[in-house]
Amino acid sequence: SQQGEEDPQALSIQEGENATMNCSYKTSINNLQWYRQNSGRGLVHLILIRSNEREKHSGRLRVTLDTSKKSSSLLITASRAADTASYFCATANIQGAQKLVFGQGTRLTINP
Amino acid sequence: NAGVMQNPRHLVRRRGQEARLRCSPMKGHSHVYWYRQLPEEGLKFMVYLQKENIIDESGMPKERFSAEFPKEGPSILRIQQVVRGDSAAYFCASSPEGQGNQPQHFGDGTRLSIL
Repeated sequence: SQQGEEDPQALSIQEGENATMNCSYKTSINNLQWYRQNSGRGLVHLILIRSNEREKHSGRLRVTLDTSKKSSSLLITASRAADTASYFCATANIQGAQKLVFGQGTRLTINP
Repeated sequence: NAGVMQNPRHLVRRRGQEARLRCSPMKGHSHVYWYRQLPEEGLKFMVYLQKENIIDESGMPKERFSAEFPKEGPSILRIQQVVRGDSAAYFCASSPEGQGNQPQHFGDGTRLSIL
């Protein structure tokens, strides 16, 4: 398996529900970042969590990091149709902190 | 403030031709990264450059691919003698100087199609 694997690969929920996506990685990291990608567009940065942090919030987003399990989760609360996108986690390893390693992504669909 | 600008947005080439992809980083950013994305996949790191220097090219194919970031002007990703397998979306990102815990800011990509 690859560094930064997201789970599930696809998620479809109703508007207003919460969406949870998980990410696992293999090596020691400097930080972990979550990005959103709308169809045909570039990536938009959502949250960066450092290796010494356990939880971070930004608006309706909540990210957790468990370095002992080498895993992270992204929670989107009160989802909206505009949240429909692909979500990627990316890790910056200690050796090469500027080089991001991306997972395959989770395709999130919010149904109105 | 303008974001990361990539051009062209779409590029069509025939097998054997050359493809040149351009990236202008955000104002004040001196670090540039190139990534490649195949359909339904995540981004794969290709190369990391600073002005006039290649810092990490561990993700670049050994042949036909090259990148530069000159003192003046945009960063260029150059693919010589393109093949069908080069068809992908190529994304450029930039970050401020010397910031290991800063996010990278991405452009909207160049979608390269090889006929």
